[in-house]
Amino acid sequence: DTAVSQTPKYLVTQMGNDKSIKCEQNLGHDTMYWYKQDSKKFLKIMFSYNNKELIINETVPNRFSPKSPDKAHLNLHINSLELGDSAVYFCASSQERSDRREQYFGPGTRLTVT
Amino acid sequence: AQSVTQLDSQVPVFEEAPVELRCNYSSSVSVYLFWYVQYPNQGLQLLLKYLSGSTLVESINGFEAEFNKSQTSFHLRKPSVHISDTAEYFCAVSPLRGAQKLVFGQGTRLTINP
Repeated sequence: DTAVSQTPKYLVTQMGNDKSIKCEQNLGHDTMYWYKQDSKKFLKIMFSYNNKELIINETVPNRFSPKSPDKAHLNLHINSLELGDSAVYFCASSQERSDRREQYFGPGTRLTVT
Repeated sequence: AQSVTQLDSQVPVFEEAPVELRCNYSSSVSVYLFWYVQYPNQGLQLLLKYLSGSTLVESINGFEAEFNKSQTSFHLRKPSVHISDTAEYFCAVSPLRGAQKLVFGQGTRLTINP
């Protein structure tokens, strides 16, 4: 069984559209994240949620709105897509009160804005 | 704030040769250290981590990394590489306290030639 899953795997859309990416984890973790990997492979955190509460918001444009309906899901909605939003978006999860501290990543969603 | 520098963007080596991927970090607080690996068109997988204790940590597939606090380094090594080790390797840090977030280096592309 996949630990952290994302849908869709690929997303091609036009500028100005609104799109969503979904993430689910079955690890029982209480914290979930969204990371963005740009064309140069650089990874940067965007958001993190702990028990459905927003913990980290790293100066991401307001067009990006994460939503966590429950501890196992963290979705990312993007309004008015721009060319610069093209990237691979990774979801991850971890257990905050843990001595393991490792984050488990999903397979990524490659977003292409044309 | 934390930052991570991976000194080599690309490292080509021949199969069965040794390899070292360099990582230095900067942080005003104590951090945990990680190496993640990204195989082509896949998500990130944890390779190894340093949380505390012995400064030399090992992975199940022959990689090792040594935490050097005085030099703020966490270099990754393998004595003999295999074709299947071809991947992108990311060094990352996470603060000991506060919200968990991974701060990544730029990545090192390891290419193994036969």
